Amino acid sequence: GNSVTQMEGPVTLSEEAFLTINCTYTATGYPSLFWYVQYPGEGLQLLLKATKADDKGSNKGFEATYRKETTSFHLEKGSVQVSDSAVYFCALSDRYTGFQKLVFGTGTRLLVSP
Amino acid sequence: NAGVTQTPKFQVLKTGQSMTLQCAQDMNHEYMSWYRQDPGMGLRLIHYSVGAGITDQGEVPNGYNVSRSTTEDFPLRLLSAAPSQTSVYFCASRPREDSYEQYFGPGTRLTVT
Repeated sequence: GNSVTQMEGPVTLSEEAFLTINCTYTATGYPSLFWYVQYPGEGLQLLLKATKADDKGSNKGFEATYRKETTSFHLEKGSVQVSDSAVYFCALSDRYTGFQKLVFGTGTRLLVSP
Repeated sequence: NAGVTQTPKFQVLKTGQSMTLQCAQDMNHEYMSWYRQDPGMGLRLIHYSVGAGITDQGEVPNGYNVSRSTTEDFPLRLLSAAPSQTSVYFCASRPREDSYEQYFGPGTRLTVT
């Protein structure tokens, strides 16, 4: 079945540091890939997406590139802010199992200090 | 628009009690889902609905019931609560089958003692 593996956290960074959160996936078809973010006390929000190989999703300074050859979708940001502190989830959905069935990774907590 | 709303925010139950978690959306979305979030396990799909009157099971449906009598509401029922159901529950909706973005509610934190 489909699965998503994320690096364990927490990831602790100082403000303006470079961020990478690793995500790899296993899927039988050609999945769409997502990063969701969960701020403290809130539900998940879609951060960015990529629907086919080599697509780059970007939003709010975050980027991730769909790499089919390495089955990866790593999240990056050049300069993090304290307000980026949150839990980040990598996820996929597959047209063949239905877009309804998002498969999530376990989440990576990011802590950014001033 | 209020988006996706969930009530209650917090709930404590004793083993064997029943309760209903409420979820409503005012965006006229056809698709709605329930997830549970447990430490170290990410979110797992419990049940979902592709429209009023139509529901189906997700990854972890045991111990939960759902119904969808209206487009707006998608309640989740715990028939006989167990400590293993202690979790944070999220409701989500999206407008169409091919819509990638799901809109999540703020969650309900449930503790079963």
